[in-house]
Amino acid sequence: AQSVTQPDIHITVSEGASLELRCNYSYGATPYLFWYVQSPGQGLQLLLKYFSGDTLVQGIKGFEAEFKRSQSSFNLRKPSVHWSDAAEYFCAVGLYNQGGKLIFGQGTELSVKP
Amino acid sequence: EAGVAQSPRYKIIEKRQSVAFWCNPISGHATLYWYQQILGQGPKLLIQFQNNGVVDDSQLPKDRFSAERLKGVDSTLKIQPAKLEDSAVYLCASSPTPPTGGNTQYFGPGTRLTVL
Repeated sequence: AQSVTQPDIHITVSEGASLELRCNYSYGATPYLFWYVQSPGQGLQLLLKYFSGDTLVQGIKGFEAEFKRSQSSFNLRKPSVHWSDAAEYFCAVGLYNQGGKLIFGQGTELSVKP
Repeated sequence: EAGVAQSPRYKIIEKRQSVAFWCNPISGHATLYWYQQILGQGPKLLIQFQNNGVVDDSQLPKDRFSAERLKGVDSTLKIQPAKLEDSAVYLCASSPTPPTGGNTQYFGPGTRLTVL
C-alpha cells in the first residue's frame, strides 16, 4: 500500500541554522512528490513539487528538496532558517493511477529558537 | 486570483447533531477535494469531485457523511449525526487540471470542527 513516512514529529533549530526534514515514501511506480507547509490556523501552502527530470527541486521561501529513488526519499532542506519558518511541514505523494489522490505523511512540526 | 474559500472557519456542536461545511474553489478549477485532518495527523482524502461527478469517495463514511458539488462549482460536506471522533479540521482543495498524480492542489483555510 502507498504510504509516506516523516520520521521526525518535532524538530527545533536555531535561527540561521540549516534545516533538513526527512520524508520516505512507499509507492510502486514513479511518484509525484510534494512538500506543503501549514501555519497555525491556516490551510496548506505548496512549497515545491517533483514530477520528473532534475532530482533537485527549488521551491518558494528558499526551500529545496532532493528526490532519491534508490532511498525512496524526498528530503526538504533550507540553508538558513528564519523565525517565520516555524510551522508544520507535510510531505505527500500523488497517485496518478488513483485520480491524483494525495497521501500525506503525519507531518513534522518545526520550532525555531532565536 | 482569489483562493479557495471555506465557511464557517470554526464550528462547535454536540454529538448526534448535524453540521455542514461549504467550499468555493478557485474559479475554473474542475477538480475539488475534501480532506479530514485529525489533530497530529496529515490530511486524509474523504471525497474527490471532477466537475460535479464523484471520482473517489472510498474513504468517506457514507453512513454519516455526504457531499455534493452543485453545478460543478461550490461544494457542501455534511455530517449527520456527528460523533466525537469527527472532531478535526476539514480542508477543501481544488485543482485546475484533470485528476492525475501530478496536479497541484490549492487548499482553503479549513473548518475546525469540535464535537462535544
